[in-house]
Amino acid sequence: GAVVSQHPSWVICKSGTSVKIECRSLDFQATTMFWYRQFPKQSLMLMATSNEGSKATYEQGVEKDKFLINHASLTLSTLTVTSAHPEDSSFYICSALPTGKYGYTFGSGTRLTVV
Amino acid sequence: AQKITQTQPGMFVQEKEAVTLDCTYDTSDPSYGLFWYKQPSSGEMIFLIYQGSYDQQNATEGRYSLNFQKARKSANLVISASQLGDSAMYFCAIQRPSGSRLTFGEGTQLTVNP
Repeated sequence: GAVVSQHPSWVICKSGTSVKIECRSLDFQATTMFWYRQFPKQSLMLMATSNEGSKATYEQGVEKDKFLINHASLTLSTLTVTSAHPEDSSFYICSALPTGKYGYTFGSGTRLTVV
Repeated sequence: AQKITQTQPGMFVQEKEAVTLDCTYDTSDPSYGLFWYKQPSSGEMIFLIYQGSYDQQNATEGRYSLNFQKARKSANLVISASQLGDSAMYFCAIQRPSGSRLTFGEGTQLTVNP
């Protein structure tokens, strides 16, 4: 139980285009979803925290107009990278905490390459 | 603010031997949670073990155990009987308050040699 499905697993897009990443909690309701970014051989850095039905809270230095987060339902949160540039190429991964559990469940991640 | 330090960028261990991955943390909060995650090359984050700051006993999950020394603010992960499939990046993380974001350490790349 407690599965978060993340799509796509990988995506290549042209510079200037937008990419949407979806995270769905399959068997639990995710009131809160955390979005992380990970550059090669580095740790996970929190980008933003999204709460169902309200605006996301972004970490310092993260452009909210570039990384649009929508959490319209208790089972779906999306991250849209707008006007992507090569420096946005990274591994993006979402996470949620199922009720009654200690371990945060992570999606499988999305490798974004902007060319 | 919370901080996690993993001082071992890479570790090597022979198959079937035990290995300890170090983790120290810094927080002024009395209540916090400590986590270990495994990240294989595929990128997924696999939850291994959790230790609450008020837990009296060290957490154990199968071959994983957490050596929790609260006074020293350390939460080392011990993997017993290493297997080739244990080769991965391992992250220590702290959470405070409960239900909030995780703060990760820099990770330790573990390689298990046959």
